[in-house]
Amino acid sequence: VLTQSPGTLSLSPGERATLSCRASQSVSSDLAWYQQKPGQAPRLVIYGSSSRATGIPDRFSGGGSGTDFTLTISRLEPEDFAVYFCQQYGSSPRTFGQGTKVE
Amino acid sequence: QVQLVESGGGVAQPGGSTRLSCAASGFNFRSFGLHWVRQAPGQGLVWVALISYDGTNKEYSASVEGRFTISRDNVNNTLYLQLDSLRPDDTAVYYCVRGSRELDYWGQGTLVTVSS
Repeated sequence: VLTQSPGTLSLSPGERATLSCRASQSVSSDLAWYQQKPGQAPRLVIYGSSSRATGIPDRFSGGGSGTDFTLTISRLEPEDFAVYFCQQYGSSPRTFGQGTKVE
Repeated sequence: QVQLVESGGGVAQPGGSTRLSCAASGFNFRSFGLHWVRQAPGQGLVWVALISYDGTNKEYSASVEGRFTISRDNVNNTLYLQLDSLRPDDTAVYYCVRGSRELDYWGQGTLVTVSS
């Protein structure tokens, strides 16, 4: 089970966002983060806990291993306001967290 | 560029069946694992099933095991999901996703509504 916190993060452009994802058992570094905007498919942001996906700006960073993970957006841009999901792919079933809305 | 285009969604009856397809292009299809992920209206993402690059390994979530079947055609670059014994809580947008580990490319999804 992956538990994300907080459920909603209310911030302003230019501020720093810190999102948390906690696993009920170790997933090593097999964790990814996805961004989803209304009416769109999710997009891969971070994989392997800390590697940025293609085309993702360097204001996005990920960290952690084992059971505790963090996605940080250093300075929020207007296009970053979205829902973010974490997902583990170290074992089956490939579970997702419930999501954090950045508004 | 990588493209994944789902089709086959629509309205199905409880207890009925439907089949989803996903046409892939822009990459070496037979080299990648593929997944189905669903999202009920206003809800989060739920992983449904995966199939290995060669089709020999298939895994399912507990909620669909025994009712859904994932398959692939490596000649025609198409992924399938057969949905049987449908229930109202199977209503969701179903996404076709590429990924042998992380899920790196997503289709736009197809909506399946289970209702009488």
